[in-house]
Amino acid sequence: DTAVSQTPKYLVTQMGNDKSIKCEQNLGHDTMYWYKQDSKKFLKIMFSYNNKELIINETVPNRFSPKSPDKAHLNLHINSLELGDSAVYFCASSHFSNYASSGANVLTFGAGSRLTVL
Amino acid sequence: RKEVEQDPGPFNVPEGATVAFNCTYSNSASQSFFWYRQDCRKEPKLLMSVYSSGNEDGRFTAQLNRASQYISLLIRDSKLSDSATYLCVVNPEDSSYKLIFGSGTRLLVRP
Repeated sequence: DTAVSQTPKYLVTQMGNDKSIKCEQNLGHDTMYWYKQDSKKFLKIMFSYNNKELIINETVPNRFSPKSPDKAHLNLHINSLELGDSAVYFCASSHFSNYASSGANVLTFGAGSRLTVL
Repeated sequence: RKEVEQDPGPFNVPEGATVAFNCTYSNSASQSFFWYRQDCRKEPKLLMSVYSSGNEDGRFTAQLNRASQYISLLIRDSKLSDSATYLCVVNPEDSSYKLIFGSGTRLLVRP
């Protein structure tokens, strides 16, 4: 199946721990993203990578470190977890274009990783 | 002012009704616009792109009003399966990698 897949789907952990979420896409897209959806359902971009290069870093705390080993993978590592980090984290990918062509810049999301920090 | 604003709803309508959602955006230079749909505890999925001249996909019609900086989504003949949250999404600049999501409008279609 062509898709964006992220693991784990659920993560429950204690404050202060370090955790990682992995994401892989087999759509041949050149751009990958991490979005955070909080309890109010507001989706906010955290990071964007284009061909393994960091393009967007939206004033996310340094405790969050994305890593893109290749353009099909974008992982998210979180150090010293805090209660406020509890949210659903969505990975997404797209084919980037400067022109509003059909299919360009349309995001395909993974199923989400629900992080609960106790 | 938020970059993308939507009425959170919920809109509670009977099956077969026509319902419309509006969304306003603050950046007049925005070039690309989309409607996404998000079911409960699922990921957002593209519903339709919004083109300058307006566009239709079956029961769904999207319109763009650049002068007033708003986008609309019209759903005709609502089905129970249309119950979801509808997210207005704007690309604030033509060459930007960033898509800004509205907080969503919740639709409940009742039998």
